[in-house]
Amino acid sequence: DQQVKQNSPSLSVQEGRISILNCDYTNSMFDYFLWYKKYPAEGPTFLISISSIKDKNEDGRFTVFLNKSAKHLSLHIVPSQPGDSAVYFCAASLGYSGGGADGLTFGKGTHLIIQP
Amino acid sequence: SAVISQKPSRDICQRGTSLTIQCQVDSQVTMMFWYRQQPGQSLTLIATANQGSEATYESGFVIDKFPISRPNLTFSTLTVSNMSPEDSSIYLCSVEGSTEGAFFGQGTRLTVV
Repeated sequence: DQQVKQNSPSLSVQEGRISILNCDYTNSMFDYFLWYKKYPAEGPTFLISISSIKDKNEDGRFTVFLNKSAKHLSLHIVPSQPGDSAVYFCAASLGYSGGGADGLTFGKGTHLIIQP
Repeated sequence: SAVISQKPSRDICQRGTSLTIQCQVDSQVTMMFWYRQQPGQSLTLIATANQGSEATYESGFVIDKFPISRPNLTFSTLTVSNMSPEDSSIYLCSVEGSTEGAFFGQGTRLTVV
């Protein structure tokens, strides 16, 4: 049973528009959520995170929203740029801000394609 | 941040053979993690490796299949033993971050034929 779900395998967005990537989780014990970006032949790189005590975190073009009652988070990228084309992974952590001894639980990823 | 060098970056192996993946970190870290990403799947934690002790394996992963070494605080290896085509995956090592969650190596793309 997948505890972190990204139901959209791919998403196509026009350059300059907003990209919205969604993630749902089932384990209410998760208290820290992260987004990673992955280019082909590279490892995932950290993008942005949010603690369960917040409902929004913003960093430049990237904003993550957390709805704990719905067990849902989303990543907004605005404006979308060609370099944003990548696979985005949602991840969740139990009890530690940095993953801790339990590691991270990942979704399957969403392939974001930014069209010119 | 941490810089992680992982090798090989890719390999094609015959079934029944073994492959050892190396992971080198540019700083001393307590815990190192090994993940697997099968085609179309999420990253799945294989095991956690602490220096000086046996690795802790997640459900579905066993030491005989995925032996791990952690000889010092900057290095670890993962061996994929007696490979079958089902082991074809990307294998990633990572170290714990703080607010960043984790830092990852570039991954090893393994194809078993």
